[in-house]
Amino acid sequence: DQQVKQNSPSLSVQEGRISILNCDYTNSMFDYFLWYKKYPAEGPTFLISISSIKDKNEDGRFTVFLNKSAKHLSLHIVPSQPGDSAVYFCAARRGNNDMRFGAGTRLTVKP
Amino acid sequence: DAGVIQSPRHEVTEMGQEVTLRCKPISGHDYLFWYRQTMMRGLELLIYFNNNVPIDDSGMPEDRFSAKMPNASFSTLKIQPSEPRDSAVYFCASSGAPWEETQYFGPGTRLLVL
Repeated sequence: DQQVKQNSPSLSVQEGRISILNCDYTNSMFDYFLWYKKYPAEGPTFLISISSIKDKNEDGRFTVFLNKSAKHLSLHIVPSQPGDSAVYFCAARRGNNDMRFGAGTRLTVKP
Repeated sequence: DAGVIQSPRHEVTEMGQEVTLRCKPISGHDYLFWYRQTMMRGLELLIYFNNNVPIDDSGMPEDRFSAKMPNASFSTLKIQPSEPRDSAVYFCASSGAPWEETQYFGPGTRLLVL
């Protein structure tokens, strides 16, 4: 069962604009959420995270928002740059148990 | 540090053959994870080890899959016999603490079973 879902397989954005990547989860016991970024021919790398006690975490151009009531989180990238073009994975974790990943969203930022 | 090392980077084999994927974690990391990436299911955790001991293998799809970690610097994921539906990218990752956010992923092995 897919406990973490990224319903948009791809997203295309113009350079300088905002990119919004969405993620939904089904297990209300998840208490930590992460975003990973993956370039072609490389493994995923950690990008940003948020604890369930918060609703927002910001790191430079990247902000993650968490809506626990809706079981939804989103990653905002602003302004988007061509170098942000990659596959973004959402992940959720319950305590020290395993992480569940979404299927990924391929972001393309056009110059 | 060279990071997590995986070999081979690409593997093409025929159905029924045995496939062995290899991983060298980052030195000093106590946790090692094997993931599989497919278009439909994204990244799935197959198994993870702590101090060379398998902790959770509930993600291993079936008995054709097995994983070992004979020492702190080496792990293998074996598929025997392989099937076309096993075609995917297999990632190995390591970390110094349980589920710390910066799991370090290797570059992956792209497996194609014909």
